[in-house]
Amino acid sequence: DAGVTQSPTHLIKTRGQQVTLRCSPKSGHDTVSWYQQALGQGPQFIFQYYEEEERQRGNFPDRFSGHQFPNYSSELNVNALLLGDSALYLCASSLLGGPIGELFFGEGSRLTVL
Amino acid sequence: AQSVTQPDIHITVSEGASLELRCNYSYGATPYLFWYVQSPGQGLQLLLKYFSGDTLVQGIKGFEAEFKRSQSSFNLRKPSVHWSDAAEYFCAVGSAGVSGGGADGLTFGKGTHLIIQP
Repeated sequence: DAGVTQSPTHLIKTRGQQVTLRCSPKSGHDTVSWYQQALGQGPQFIFQYYEEEERQRGNFPDRFSGHQFPNYSSELNVNALLLGDSALYLCASSLLGGPIGELFFGEGSRLTVL
Repeated sequence: AQSVTQPDIHITVSEGASLELRCNYSYGATPYLFWYVQSPGQGLQLLLKYFSGDTLVQGIKGFEAEFKRSQSSFNLRKPSVHWSDAAEYFCAVGSAGVSGGGADGLTFGKGTHLIIQP
């Protein structure tokens, strides 16, 4: 049973560029959440997708957008990259209506913005 | 707004010794509380959670945590640590979500880095 998979694992971009990160949820899960984890910090909630719609959003600017596909996989897009966007981006999947708080995390995509 | 404070950035414990990691939260309603562990090169893994009932909850890998409403705390404990417990530990608070289930956006603390001495 595959867990949460994310791609790419590492990438380097320059300021002003755009990036797309991808996530496949754990089998049987229908909800995908994205978190940003800066170095030395805890993860910060970006947004959550369910039934291809953004269901909840944290305190992140509109430069951060996402998408969920019919097969429940998801993308995180960040436009006009800033140096401060350098972080580990974590995808977490869960089952809406499932056990409370049971998020399954991927290993993350480490983004470096130069 | 909800928040989580983990007062200890680093903690060093000898192998076989007991462990307590502190967590204080701020939340307007009854909180849903979690402890996650992050090992190098691995995703975060849920250790345990509390949302109602008995204030002492058991988790995986021999960990337990105690919810103390009067102190707004949810400290993680383990009677005897193993070298493999060395990792980053995160306390988090959240809600049940609109549907009553699932996992809405969690608020994490900054983490405590656990070092195990031989």
